[in-house]
Amino acid sequence: EPEVTQTPSHQVTQMGQEVILRCVPISNHLYFYWYRQILGQKVEFLVSFYNNEISEKSEIFDDQFSVERPDGSNFTLKIRSTKLEDSAMYFCASRERQKNTEAFFGQGTRLTVV
Amino acid sequence: SQKIEQNSEALNIQEGKTATLTCNYTNYSPAYLQWYRQDPGRGPVFLLLIRENEKEKRKERLKVTFDTTLKQSLFHITASQPADSATYLCALDRGSQGNLIFGKGTKLSVKP
Repeated sequence: EPEVTQTPSHQVTQMGQEVILRCVPISNHLYFYWYRQILGQKVEFLVSFYNNEISEKSEIFDDQFSVERPDGSNFTLKIRSTKLEDSAMYFCASRERQKNTEAFFGQGTRLTVV
Repeated sequence: SQKIEQNSEALNIQEGKTATLTCNYTNYSPAYLQWYRQDPGRGPVFLLLIRENEKEKRKERLKVTFDTTLKQSLFHITASQPADSATYLCALDRGSQGNLIFGKGTKLSVKP
């Protein structure tokens, strides 16, 4: 069964450092997303990406964040200067169509900022 | 702004019983609603999607109802098993690009 894969599974970084989280969405999917989940909290939408550009972003997704699809398979989330409050699980997701279909989530990257 | 509430943070039931989880939403009229399962330290896994014109949807031991008048969805697991123990998330499609709003989830524990 096709799946979304994320690397690394766990990343520890110093405050102020840049991190790049990587995702390989399902190959025939067109819509890509990043979500995050702070420990004990709900899953929160960060950004959606379609046709090689950001289609929607939440208020969490400020100038410190960026996304890229550098080739036909990878989808990355970059945090330029990490803060302690960026510590969370980050999930990549993809959907075949915009609506009326399920989202497939990766297993997540646990980001710990120290 | 749109809000989703899953009324119970935790639900403990005995194996073999039916678990019923509730999802309420406000300030929104979604065309459809989804339920996901999340195990500790893992990503959400899709279970069921129900459209606004569907009253009920079933898949094996799972059943979802959707009442757009009450702005509520119920999620049932019949003949529950310890393996059903997980957190169950309700999600609505919010944006024009298919991003989801999630409830905080209900942690279900099924005791043998």
